[in-house]
Amino acid sequence: QSALTQPASVSGSPGQSITFSCTGTSNDVGGYNYVSWYQQYPGEAPRLMIYDVTNRPSGVSNRFSGSKSGNTASLTISGLQAEDEADYYCSSYTSSGTLEFGGGTKLTVV
Amino acid sequence: QVQLVESGGGVVQPGGSLRLSCAASGFTFSTYGMHWVRQAPGKGLEWVAFIRLDGSHEYYADSVKGRFTISRENPKNTLYLQLNSLRPDDTAVYYCAKDRLNHLLPPEYWGQGTLVIVSS
Repeated sequence: QSALTQPASVSGSPGQSITFSCTGTSNDVGGYNYVSWYQQYPGEAPRLMIYDVTNRPSGVSNRFSGSKSGNTASLTISGLQAEDEADYYCSSYTSSGTLEFGGGTKLTVV
Repeated sequence: QVQLVESGGGVVQPGGSLRLSCAASGFTFSTYGMHWVRQAPGKGLEWVAFIRLDGSHEYYADSVKGRFTISRENPKNTLYLQLNSLRPDDTAVYYCAKDRLNHLLPPEYWGQGTLVIVSS
């Protein structure tokens, strides 16, 4: 069982906005602004989409945005596209001096 | 551009050992911390270990502490992971990943991974 809780799956239609949640504790998500989000296609390596809760790396579409409230971080994809269909993982630094990942959310674009 | 290329995976019997390597290029390797992260077949990501830029400090997940050792050779731009006392639940794709700084932050860039299968 992963330390950070993510819903197993979400679905949306093209053009919609969709939000993923990542729930931890005050020892990880709630205690630090070191939450990142990753996109992973089957058989490929993860790709960084958001770092430090809200920041987008160069080359990532501005349709992706991040936020945090208390112990829950969120990733929002606006203007959903078919190519967004993938697995999404959150990750956070922890007070134990380790990293944690969520169990991942499978996004289906219907 | 940043490139991370893992090697050394394969099939090993329970209790056996393996050493993974990660060749880094496209950035100044000696100025960044580095991670190993693994992913069991059909499962999520699990952080394994981190090493500071100069190799001075190492950090491990509880699941591998005492069995795995992370190390680096900065002159060769290479990261290593020594896997000992392997168990079937260590079966996974092992990814080498670059930290954004030297602070044990969620990784920035990832390699394509190398598959380790622990089976008799």
